[in-house]
Amino acid sequence: DAKTTQPTSMDCAEGRAANLPCNHSTISGNEYVYWYRQIHSQGPQYIIHGLKNNETNEMASLIITEDRKSSTLILPHATLRDTAVYYCIVRVQNDYKLSFGAGTTVTVRA
Amino acid sequence: EAGVAQSPRYKIIEKRQSVAFWCNPISGHATLYWYQQILGQGPKLLIQFQNNGVVDDSQLPKDRFSAERLKGVDSTLKIQPAKLEDSAVYLCASRPNRGYNEQFFGPGTRLTVL
Repeated sequence: DAKTTQPTSMDCAEGRAANLPCNHSTISGNEYVYWYRQIHSQGPQYIIHGLKNNETNEMASLIITEDRKSSTLILPHATLRDTAVYYCIVRVQNDYKLSFGAGTTVTVRA
Repeated sequence: EAGVAQSPRYKIIEKRQSVAFWCNPISGHATLYWYQQILGQGPKLLIQFQNNGVVDDSQLPKDRFSAERLKGVDSTLKIQPAKLEDSAVYLCASRPNRGYNEQFFGPGTRLTVL
């Protein structure tokens, strides 16, 4: 699976959009971008995934660049409950194993 | 729908002792995973089961770790004997059999080895 690079940490203000970047410059054509998050003392939770088109669900939006070498997870209106570690993972869709990096620690401040 | 259940939530043991963790996946989920998460790191896959068969145990330290899923439902992960570096959170996850991308994780068991 392709490796990903994420910032170690970031802060955002409650009620504002949080934009979480992820670089995956070695991504292959059949690899998807997945995002999970892990709130303190809980297991990781699936957020969203995509191949090349932008995706949106009730939790977040995923913007993938045209060359697919990077992506951005957008939390449109961050709340204190969005404070968590966010993991960007690249994998082939039919290989369901997840390889987690260290992720980005996001702190939402009131 | 009930989530993935794990027990115990916390365990403290001394090195060289044995310990076992239990996982009950979501009903009907054929695939079950065990992960180890050391403080400050992301989870690392230890073993993957499909029903009661092992699909991947390449990252499992087999000299001290073992896992089983005898009836294709519950699973146990055992460490014998424990080392200090085994201190971590042990996460269990499950996934339906087909066409579903998401893994559902339990809350984990936090192991402290003294």
